[in-house]
Amino acid sequence: SQQGEEDPQALSIQEGENATMNCSYKTSINNLQWYRQNSGRGLVHLILIRSNEREKHSGRLRVTLDTSKKSSSLLITASRAADTASYFCATDNSGNTPLVFGKGTRLSVIA
Amino acid sequence: DAGITQSPRYKITETGRQVTLMCHQTWSHSYMFWYRQDLGHGLRLIYYSAAADITDKGEVPDGYVVSRSKTENFPLTLESATRSQTSVYFCATLDVARREEQFFGPGTRLTVL
Repeated sequence: SQQGEEDPQALSIQEGENATMNCSYKTSINNLQWYRQNSGRGLVHLILIRSNEREKHSGRLRVTLDTSKKSSSLLITASRAADTASYFCATDNSGNTPLVFGKGTRLSVIA
Repeated sequence: DAGITQSPRYKITETGRQVTLMCHQTWSHSYMFWYRQDLGHGLRLIYYSAAADITDKGEVPDGYVVSRSKTENFPLTLESATRSQTSVYFCATLDVARREEQFFGPGTRLTVL
């Protein structure tokens, strides 16, 4: 069953605005990852945040992690039409268990 | 080209037929995974493999068979395809030494009539 649950399921914003997506999970994790999927393509890794980290930046991406609330957020600043995609969180629980993906947030950025 | 490839990219078959989806990687990553992606369900793990000759079931393994005789190949077989197996299938790899990002193939869109 899914570990991560993204919220909202779909998000539509204007170009230049910020987009925030949230992910909640159920069990303790080693790290949490965010992936992006363009229509008709495979997933591409965006950023990883470890359980002992609270915030991480990569370009226009900012990820936060609150292990006490078992939640993470992905912020995309100054969005562009090219950011239109689905975004998935994935949790790495421990040991050699595979990543568990959420159902994704579909982001539409309108030019 | 280096990376991960899947074949075929599109496949239409009929109920009851056997279908094999191929996945090939050039990195020699130890882990390989098969996922299916359906609307409303996100990505669900079918099978995975930690190394050649080692495979494990994922969340939705019923109706699927895998093998991994070589590190670089991880075929997924639907022994008797059903309409409920209509989906987009993704193969992925993981470098266990880094144990960070998974690398995904481009996907195979399978339609079972």
